[in-house]
Amino acid sequence: DSGVTQTPKHLITATGQRVTLRCSPRSGDLSVYWYQQSLDQGLQFLIQYYNGEERAKGNILERFSAQQFPDLHSELNLSSLELGDSALYFCASSSGGSGRETQYFGPGTRLLVL
Amino acid sequence: AQTVTQSQPEMSVQEAETVTLSCTYDTSESDYYLFWYKQPPSRQMILVIRQEAYKQQNATENRFSVNFQKAAKSFSLKISDSQLGDAAMYFCAYSEVRGGADGLTFGKGTHLIIQP
Repeated sequence: DSGVTQTPKHLITATGQRVTLRCSPRSGDLSVYWYQQSLDQGLQFLIQYYNGEERAKGNILERFSAQQFPDLHSELNLSSLELGDSALYFCASSSGGSGRETQYFGPGTRLLVL
Repeated sequence: AQTVTQSQPEMSVQEAETVTLSCTYDTSESDYYLFWYKQPPSRQMILVIRQEAYKQQNATENRFSVNFQKAAKSFSLKISDSQLGDAAMYFCAYSEVRGGADGLTFGKGTHLIIQP
C-alpha cells in the first residue's frame, strides 16, 4: 500500500459525459501528479500540482482539467468524453516538486467510455 | 524532449535465474533521476529502485540492482534469483531536476515472464 488513495476504482460512462476522479496523496506529500495509461499511448504524464498550484503540464487535453484543494487532495475532471479516453488513470504523490523525489502511485481508476 | 527506450517488449527467465532488463534514455541534462517501476497484474505501480545521476555508485535493493552508465545513457535492471512474484511489466522512468519538474517520462515497458 503506497498510502495514495484514488476513487472510484472503476468508472463506466458514455461518450459526451463528464467524470471526476479523486486522489488523496500520502500524508505530508505536497505534490500530486496525474498520469494516463492506455494501450496506444503507454504511460503519459498529464499534470502536476504542488501545494495547490499548477506546477507542470504534460500531454493533457483541453477537455481535461485538474485542481488541488487546500487539504491537498486533487481532482481530475474529464469532459466531453470520447471512446479513446478509456484508460487507467493514476495519481501519484511526492513530498516535493523538484523531480528529485520518488513518486508513489495510487491504485488507479479504470475508466471505460462506451 | 526526453525519451526513454525499452527495447525488449518481453523477457522470459527460469525461476532462480538472473535476468537483465535494458533501458536507454536521451537527455541533454546533467542532473536527473532514473527509476524502475514494477506493474504486476493488479496494475499497481510499485517502485523497485531509483538512481541519482550524480552518483556513480549503482543502486541496489536486495535482489534488484542497476547498471547505470551515464555516458552511454543506459540504465539496466538486474534481477537476481528470480521469483514467481517478480512476474510483471517493468517500466523504466526518467525525472528531470529543475525548477518545475515535468513528471516522469516512461518507457513502453518490458513484460517479464518467470518460468517455474
